[in-house]
Formats: sequence, C-alpha cells, structure tokens
Amino acid sequence: QQPVQSPQAVILREGEDAVINCSSSKALYSVHWYRQKHGEAPVFLMILLKGGEQKGHEKISASFNEKKQQSSLYLTASQLSYSGTYFCGTEAGGADGLTFGKGTHLIIQP
Amino acid sequence: GAGVSQSPSNKVTEKGKDVELRCDPISGHTALYWYRQSLGQGLEFLIYFQGNSAPDKSGLPSDRFSAERTGGSVSTLTIQRTQQEDSAVYLCASSSTGTSAVGVTQYFGPGTRLTVL
Repeated sequence: QQPVQSPQAVILREGEDAVINCSSSKALYSVHWYRQKHGEAPVFLMILLKGGEQKGHEKISASFNEKKQQSSLYLTASQLSYSGTYFCGTEAGGADGLTFGKGTHLIIQP
Repeated sequence: GAGVSQSPSNKVTEKGKDVELRCDPISGHTALYWYRQSLGQGLEFLIYFQGNSAPDKSGLPSDRFSAERTGGSVSTLTIQRTQQEDSAVYLCASSSTGTSAVGVTQYFGPGTRLTVL
C-alpha cells in the first residue's frame, strides 16, 4: 500500500524551514527519501532503518518513528537548490521493491 | 563505472505498436527494478530482478508488459500493443543486493519518456 505524504506542496522563502511527512499503514523495515528535479531521475538522499534513528546531512535530516510507521524529512534554512519533488519510499518486506508516495512539491523562492 | 543508463531517452509511438525500453545497471549490481511514473504521480513499481533468478512480476499492470534480463545485467522492458494510458516515464534502478537486504540504496537511471499517440 502506498505511503501517504504531506503536505502535497510547500512554497517557502529562501532560508525558511520545512518538514515533509511520510506515513504508512504497514510495519516498515526502512524508509528511503529521494529528491527529484523536474525532468530528472530521483536522487537518493538517505535511508532510515527501523529503530527510530535520525540521520542528517548538512541542513537536511530525517527521523523514523517505528511505532507510528512515520518518517519526517527536515529541511533547515532552505536553499534555492532544495526545490524539487521529495518522495519517500517504504520497505515493508517482500519482493516488491520500494513503494513510493505521491511526492511533495517544494518550491523555494528567493 | 558510470551510473544506470537507459535508452532511448524519449520514445514516441502510435497506439497499438510495440516498444522496447533498455536499462544498463551499474556494473556489479545484482538487483534491477523497473518503475513507471505518470505525469505528476509517484513512482509505481513494475518488476524486480535479482541476479539470474525468476523475476517478481507482481507489479506489471497487464499481460502486455514483459521484461527480461540477459546474463544478469542488461534488462529490456517490452510493452506490446501500446495504449495511450501507457504514456509515462519509465525508470530503471539498480542496487548492489536485492530486497532481502534491508535498506539498500537504489540508484535510478535518467528514465525513458514514452508518449503513445
């Protein structure tokens, strides 16, 4: 079953913060986050494994709440380059690859 | 070497024709996945190959869709008797191991944009 992402779209000013959420009805082994620029393939951001760990890279970090089957992606002091569509992909076991949400469109304005 | 490559980058075809889409995974990657992304939508899983094992075809939307992987490397996705609803970007991804290993990164190719007139 497809994870649900929220919000569907966000418009920010450069320097503002954003949170993108991803929730699933299934017990998850992992959550993957990707960013896709228009006309390009998705680019991997990070993986979170069950255990509630938080990961981060510079000003982009994420958490995974195993009990709630939810993950959140945090973008701090957003930059123009952060614009794009963010997808979460969830892994619940079985051999069906990742199941992706519909994406969150992030627009950063100067 | 290089990342995942796909060809052609764009394909325009007429309804009812067959098309073949090609994917070259990253060298040494044993797992290969095909996804479909319709305009403004998320990624839809189609099929998964792990090495030379029989593929998991559970995501294929109809029997007009088939895929093969030769020698555990290059894969071809074939769509027969194309329909307008088949229009989408078809993305291929590969990973170093399969879904039996949790949390393995999938690396995506640039995709093939298919337009069925």
